[in-house]
Amino acid sequence: DIQMTQSPSTLSASVGDRVTITCRASQSISSWLAWYQQKPGKAPKVLIYKASTLESGVPSRFSGSGSGTEFTLTISSLQPDDFATYYCQQYDSYPFTFGGGTKVEIK
Amino acid sequence: QVQLQESGPGLVKPSETLSLTCSVSGYSISSGYYWGWIRQPPGKGLEWIGSIFYSGNTYYNPSLKSRLTMSPDTSNNQFSLKLSSVTAADTAVYYCARDPKSIAGRPFDYWGQGILVTVSS
Repeated sequence: DIQMTQSPSTLSASVGDRVTITCRASQSISSWLAWYQQKPGKAPKVLIYKASTLESGVPSRFSGSGSGTEFTLTISSLQPDDFATYYCQQYDSYPFTFGGGTKVEIK
Repeated sequence: QVQLQESGPGLVKPSETLSLTCSVSGYSISSGYYWGWIRQPPGKGLEWIGSIFYSGNTYYNPSLKSRLTMSPDTSNNQFSLKLSSVTAADTAVYYCARDPKSIAGRPFDYWGQGILVTVSS
Protein backbone atom coordinates (compact mmCIF):
# COMPACT_ATOMS: atom_id res chain seq x y z
CA ASP A 1 0.00 0.00 0.00
CA ILE A 2 1.10 3.58 -0.64
CA GLN A 3 1.44 5.52 2.62
CA MET A 4 0.50 9.19 2.64
CA THR A 5 2.11 11.41 5.27
CA GLN A 6 0.64 14.85 5.85
CA SER A 7 2.15 17.70 7.84
CA PRO A 8 1.49 19.49 10.02
CA SER A 9 -1.35 17.70 11.77
CA THR A 10 -2.58 20.99 13.23
CA LEU A 11 -2.00 24.51 12.04
CA SER A 12 -2.97 27.75 13.79
CA ALA A 13 -3.34 30.74 11.51
CA SER A 14 -5.07 34.08 11.17
CA VAL A 15 -7.38 35.43 8.51
CA GLY A 16 -5.26 36.70 5.64
CA ASP A 17 -2.33 34.36 6.32
CA ARG A 18 -0.71 32.28 3.61
CA VAL A 19 -0.98 28.62 4.58
CA THR A 20 0.90 25.62 3.21
CA ILE A 21 0.17 21.95 3.89
CA THR A 22 2.51 19.20 2.76
CA CYS A 23 1.75 15.63 1.71
CA ARG A 24 4.36 12.97 1.00
CA ALA A 25 3.77 9.63 -0.70
CA SER A 26 5.81 6.53 0.14
CA GLN A 27 6.35 5.92 -3.58
CA SER A 28 5.78 7.85 -6.77
CA ILE A 29 2.16 8.53 -7.61
CA SER A 30 2.87 10.76 -10.61
CA SER A 31 0.24 13.52 -10.27
CA TRP A 32 -2.61 11.34 -9.02
CA LEU A 33 -3.16 13.35 -5.87
CA ALA A 34 -6.30 15.06 -4.58
CA TRP A 35 -6.91 17.52 -1.76
CA TYR A 36 -10.18 17.60 0.16
CA GLN A 37 -11.66 20.00 2.69
CA GLN A 38 -13.89 18.63 5.43
CA LYS A 39 -16.00 20.57 7.91
CA PRO A 40 -17.51 19.02 11.05
CA GLY A 41 -20.45 16.75 10.30
CA LYS A 42 -20.01 17.06 6.54
CA ALA A 43 -18.62 14.89 3.78
CA PRO A 44 -15.23 15.82 2.33
CA LYS A 45 -15.27 18.18 -0.64
CA VAL A 46 -12.67 17.94 -3.40
CA LEU A 47 -10.62 21.10 -3.89
CA ILE A 48 -7.73 20.02 -6.12
CA TYR A 49 -7.16 16.95 -8.30
CA LYS A 50 -4.30 15.74 -10.48
CA ALA A 51 -2.10 17.56 -7.97
CA SER A 52 -2.77 21.04 -9.34
CA THR A 53 -6.15 21.18 -11.11
CA LEU A 54 -8.67 23.35 -9.30
CA GLU A 55 -12.10 21.77 -8.99
CA SER A 56 -14.90 23.80 -10.55
CA GLY A 57 -16.35 26.34 -8.15
CA VAL A 58 -13.39 26.29 -5.75
CA PRO A 59 -11.92 29.74 -4.98
CA SER A 60 -8.66 30.57 -6.71
CA ARG A 61 -6.92 31.22 -3.38
CA PHE A 62 -6.50 27.43 -3.23
CA SER A 63 -3.67 25.95 -5.27
CA GLY A 64 -1.79 22.68 -5.43
CA SER A 65 1.62 21.70 -6.67
CA GLY A 66 4.02 18.79 -6.82
CA SER A 67 4.50 15.46 -8.51
CA GLY A 68 6.05 12.12 -7.75
CA THR A 69 6.18 11.94 -3.95
CA GLU A 70 6.02 15.54 -2.68
CA PHE A 71 2.92 17.71 -2.84
CA THR A 72 1.65 20.93 -1.32
CA LEU A 73 -1.67 22.65 -0.86
CA THR A 74 -1.48 26.42 -0.50
CA ILE A 75 -4.17 28.84 0.61
CA SER A 76 -2.92 32.25 -0.48
CA SER A 77 -5.03 34.31 1.93
CA LEU A 78 -6.92 32.39 4.59
CA GLN A 79 -10.60 33.25 4.86
CA PRO A 80 -13.01 32.55 7.76
CA ASP A 81 -14.71 29.81 5.71
CA ASP A 82 -11.38 27.98 5.31
CA PHE A 83 -11.06 26.85 8.92
CA ALA A 84 -11.53 23.11 8.45
CA THR A 85 -9.61 19.84 8.17
CA TYR A 86 -7.75 19.08 4.94
CA TYR A 87 -6.85 15.64 3.60
CA CYS A 88 -4.68 14.51 0.75
CA GLN A 89 -5.47 11.28 -1.11
CA GLN A 90 -3.54 9.26 -3.66
CA TYR A 91 -5.60 7.71 -6.42
CA ASP A 92 -2.74 6.37 -8.46
CA SER A 93 -3.53 2.79 -7.54
CA TYR A 94 -5.81 0.74 -5.34
CA PRO A 95 -5.93 0.58 -2.37
CA PHE A 96 -6.51 4.35 -2.39
CA THR A 97 -5.07 5.95 0.73
CA PHE A 98 -5.52 9.23 2.57
CA GLY A 99 -3.19 11.37 4.60
CA GLY A 100 -3.89 11.74 8.29
CA GLY A 101 -5.37 15.22 7.91
CA THR A 102 -4.41 18.78 8.80
CA LYS A 103 -6.72 20.77 11.03
CA VAL A 104 -6.53 24.50 10.32
CA GLU A 105 -7.50 26.41 13.44
CA ILE A 106 -8.03 30.05 14.24
CA LYS A 107 -4.98 31.61 15.88
CA GLN B 1 -26.88 16.89 -10.38
CA VAL B 2 -25.49 13.61 -9.06
CA GLN B 3 -26.68 12.78 -5.57
CA LEU B 4 -25.87 9.84 -3.30
CA GLN B 5 -27.67 8.73 -0.14
CA GLU B 6 -26.57 6.06 2.32
CA SER B 7 -29.12 3.99 4.21
CA GLY B 8 -29.06 1.14 6.70
CA PRO B 9 -29.08 0.36 10.42
CA GLY B 10 -27.33 2.81 12.69
CA LEU B 11 -26.60 0.15 15.31
CA VAL B 12 -25.08 -3.29 14.73
CA LYS B 13 -24.18 -5.89 17.34
CA PRO B 14 -20.62 -7.21 17.59
CA SER B 15 -19.94 -10.28 15.41
CA GLU B 16 -22.90 -9.48 13.18
CA THR B 17 -22.93 -8.14 9.61
CA LEU B 18 -23.08 -4.44 8.78
CA SER B 19 -25.21 -3.81 5.66
CA LEU B 20 -25.51 -0.47 3.89
CA THR B 21 -27.03 0.68 0.62
CA CYS B 22 -26.11 3.73 -1.47
CA SER B 23 -28.89 5.12 -3.67
CA VAL B 24 -27.74 7.19 -6.62
CA SER B 25 -29.82 9.81 -8.44
CA GLY B 26 -28.96 12.07 -11.34
CA TYR B 27 -26.66 9.50 -12.95
CA SER B 28 -27.05 5.87 -13.93
CA ILE B 29 -24.45 3.63 -12.32
CA SER B 30 -24.64 1.51 -15.49
CA SER B 31 -23.23 4.42 -17.50
CA GLY B 32 -19.76 3.86 -16.14
CA TYR B 33 -17.44 4.93 -13.31
CA TYR B 34 -16.63 2.98 -10.22
CA TRP B 35 -18.56 3.66 -7.02
CA GLY B 36 -16.88 3.57 -3.66
CA TRP B 37 -17.25 3.36 0.09
CA ILE B 38 -15.11 5.35 2.52
CA ARG B 39 -15.38 5.38 6.32
CA GLN B 40 -14.28 7.68 9.11
CA PRO B 41 -14.16 6.60 12.77
CA PRO B 42 -15.30 9.34 15.16
CA GLY B 43 -12.61 12.00 15.45
CA LYS B 44 -10.26 10.19 13.07
CA GLY B 45 -9.21 10.20 9.43
CA LEU B 46 -10.60 8.72 6.24
CA GLU B 47 -10.22 5.09 5.13
CA TRP B 48 -11.08 3.78 1.69
CA ILE B 49 -13.11 0.56 1.97
CA GLY B 50 -13.60 -0.48 -1.64
CA SER B 51 -14.92 0.41 -5.08
CA ILE B 52 -17.26 -1.40 -7.46
CA PHE B 53 -18.13 -1.16 -11.17
CA TYR B 54 -21.70 -1.70 -12.37
CA SER B 55 -20.62 -5.01 -13.91
CA GLY B 56 -19.60 -6.26 -10.47
CA ASN B 57 -15.85 -5.80 -10.76
CA THR B 58 -14.48 -4.79 -7.39
CA TYR B 59 -11.42 -3.44 -5.64
CA TYR B 60 -11.27 -4.02 -1.90
CA ASN B 61 -9.06 -2.66 0.85
CA PRO B 62 -6.79 -5.62 1.73
CA SER B 63 -7.27 -4.91 5.43
CA LEU B 64 -11.02 -5.56 5.08
CA LYS B 65 -11.13 -7.95 2.14
CA SER B 66 -11.83 -11.12 4.13
CA ARG B 67 -14.99 -9.58 5.65
CA LEU B 68 -16.19 -7.41 2.77
CA THR B 69 -18.73 -7.87 -0.01
CA MET B 70 -19.87 -5.13 -2.36
CA SER B 71 -22.64 -5.55 -4.93
CA PRO B 72 -24.29 -3.45 -7.65
CA ASP B 73 -28.05 -3.22 -8.11
CA THR B 74 -28.46 -1.62 -11.51
CA SER B 75 -32.23 -2.04 -11.62
CA ASN B 76 -32.58 0.25 -8.60
CA ASN B 77 -29.50 2.37 -9.36
CA GLN B 78 -27.93 1.37 -6.06
CA PHE B 79 -24.89 -0.41 -4.73
CA SER B 80 -24.37 -2.06 -1.38
CA LEU B 81 -21.78 -2.91 1.25
CA LYS B 82 -21.70 -5.87 3.62
CA LEU B 83 -19.06 -6.11 6.31
CA SER B 84 -19.15 -9.26 8.42
CA SER B 85 -17.95 -10.08 11.93
CA VAL B 86 -17.92 -6.45 13.02
CA THR B 87 -16.26 -5.15 16.17
CA ALA B 88 -16.19 -1.79 17.91
CA ALA B 89 -13.32 -0.83 15.59
CA ASP B 90 -15.81 -0.76 12.72
CA THR B 91 -17.78 2.07 14.35
CA ALA B 92 -17.57 4.94 11.90
CA VAL B 93 -19.38 7.30 9.58
CA TYR B 94 -19.71 5.44 6.29
CA TYR B 95 -19.75 7.46 3.06
CA CYS B 96 -20.52 6.36 -0.46
CA ALA B 97 -18.99 8.31 -3.33
CA ARG B 98 -18.48 8.29 -7.07
CA ASP B 99 -15.02 7.07 -8.08
CA PRO B 100 -14.32 8.34 -11.61
CA LYS B 101 -10.57 7.76 -11.72
CA SER B 102 -10.60 4.92 -14.24
CA ILE B 103 -12.50 6.95 -16.84
CA ALA B 104 -12.04 10.62 -16.09
CA GLY B 105 -8.87 10.73 -14.01
CA ARG B 106 -10.71 12.41 -11.16
CA PRO B 107 -10.89 11.49 -7.46
CA PHE B 108 -14.07 10.95 -5.44
CA ASP B 109 -16.16 13.85 -6.68
CA TYR B 110 -19.71 13.25 -5.45
CA TRP B 111 -20.30 12.06 -1.89
CA GLY B 112 -23.27 11.03 0.20
CA GLN B 113 -23.92 12.81 3.48
CA GLY B 114 -22.65 9.83 5.47
CA ILE B 115 -24.29 7.48 7.94
CA LEU B 116 -23.02 6.78 11.44
CA VAL B 117 -22.89 3.08 12.23
CA THR B 118 -22.19 2.12 15.82
CA VAL B 119 -21.13 -1.40 16.75
CA SER B 120 -22.36 -2.14 20.25
CA SER B 121 -24.33 -4.75 22.13
